Amino acid sequence: DAKTTQPNSMESNEEEPVHLPCNHSTISGTDYIHWYRQLPSQGPEYVIHGLTSNVNNRMASLAIAEDRKSSTLILHRATLRDAAVYYCILRDRNFGNEKLTFGTGTRLTIIP
Amino acid sequence: EAQVTQNPRYLITVTGKKLTVTCSQNMNHEYMSWYRQDPGLGLRQIYYSMNVEVTDKGDVPEGYKVSRKEKRNFPLILESPSPNQTSLYFCASSYNRANEQFFGPGTRLTVL
Repeated sequence: DAKTTQPNSMESNEEEPVHLPCNHSTISGTDYIHWYRQLPSQGPEYVIHGLTSNVNNRMASLAIAEDRKSSTLILHRATLRDAAVYYCILRDRNFGNEKLTFGTGTRLTIIP
Repeated sequence: EAQVTQNPRYLITVTGKKLTVTCSQNMNHEYMSWYRQDPGLGLRQIYYSMNVEVTDKGDVPEGYKVSRKEKRNFPLILESPSPNQTSLYFCASSYNRANEQFFGPGTRLTVL
């Protein structure tokens, strides 16, 4: 199974952009890159996903490297409510490989 | 409201006493999954199901059983719970393998 590597923790100042990196050097051509986050005392929630092109939604942007071996989740203007653990995972769209590995994620601290 | 529900939310039990944690989704999702979360270990997948009557092991299936008799329900069964199964459990569902997962609120299980 393709795995991801993320820093254990990051800090950012409130109202500044945050770039959360994820390495996935063994990614296959059929893997989607998904990002989730888990706020304190809650279940994980979906943030964004992509395959090859950069993606934007109301929560964040996802920048995918040209070789797809890494990606970056961008929070354009961090707020205190963005303090959470962020998980980068790979999800194979091929039939027969449905196992998902979340890992330990990146704990993001927002400094007021 | 589209949601994943789990019951119970909190459970304290004793070693060897069979228990079931229920999971239900109202979004007609095909894919459902169970995870456990432990400090320092992140989210680990226990079992998943790609559709009715189709289930498969995740990364940590030992000591657990699941069933998928109906599309909306995916119960997690602990036939003989042990203290090392004390954990926070999350159920999740998604429309298919490429789409975002929706997580339940979690079940905190303590086995004495």
